[in-house]
Amino acid sequence: GAVVSQHPSWVICKSGTSVKIECRSLDFQATTMFWYRQFPKQSLMLMATSNEGSKATYEQGVEKDKFLINHASLTLSTLTVTSAHPEDSSFYICSARGVDSTYEQYFGPGTRLTVT
Amino acid sequence: GQNIDQPTEMTATEGAIVQINCTYQTSGFNGLFWYQQHAGEAPTFLSYNVLDGLEEKGRFSSFLSRSKGYSYLLLKELQMKDSASYLCAVMEAGNMLTFGGGTRLMVKP
Repeated sequence: GAVVSQHPSWVICKSGTSVKIECRSLDFQATTMFWYRQFPKQSLMLMATSNEGSKATYEQGVEKDKFLINHASLTLSTLTVTSAHPEDSSFYICSARGVDSTYEQYFGPGTRLTVT
Repeated sequence: GQNIDQPTEMTATEGAIVQINCTYQTSGFNGLFWYQQHAGEAPTFLSYNVLDGLEEKGRFSSFLSRSKGYSYLLLKELQMKDSASYLCAVMEAGNMLTFGGGTRLMVKP
């Protein structure tokens, strides 16, 4: 089956620093990748959609200058949280849709970010 | 906008059957997904319904009524490992998923 990895699986950083999270499709080419954020005991909230070679499309209320997304290849998308604050602490999950798929998304294992 | 409602929490007994309901109001519809998510882990795919009716897959079944904006996930022969959150998600035009708030299911011995 399709496998999506994320790195790191967890990270602790100081307030004001930047953190980069990688999302990779390991055995398929992902034309579209999605970034979600999930706060404790809440559901997934879509942050942005990225298509390979194009600028990401951000959901309403998500600051594009704070959450930088790069989808440079068909197997890699990165999310950089810039100038992180404690309120950015959350579980960040990516998902990927393959070239041959019209609807199914494969989720990564998630990255737990804690900003101190 | 979209509105996807599901119960916040449910409790059931090991070996029993439980039905988790989901109602939705969306401007477009390209299908409804159910995912299982254990705490601290990513969601895993359970089912996809785009046509009305029941889809059965082992102990799990999912039902859809598009005219009623309604779906349910049926779990049979509950096991302790089924304790998890179950997420209902609707795919709109553009093939983006919008998730409901999730239902936390607790299975008791």
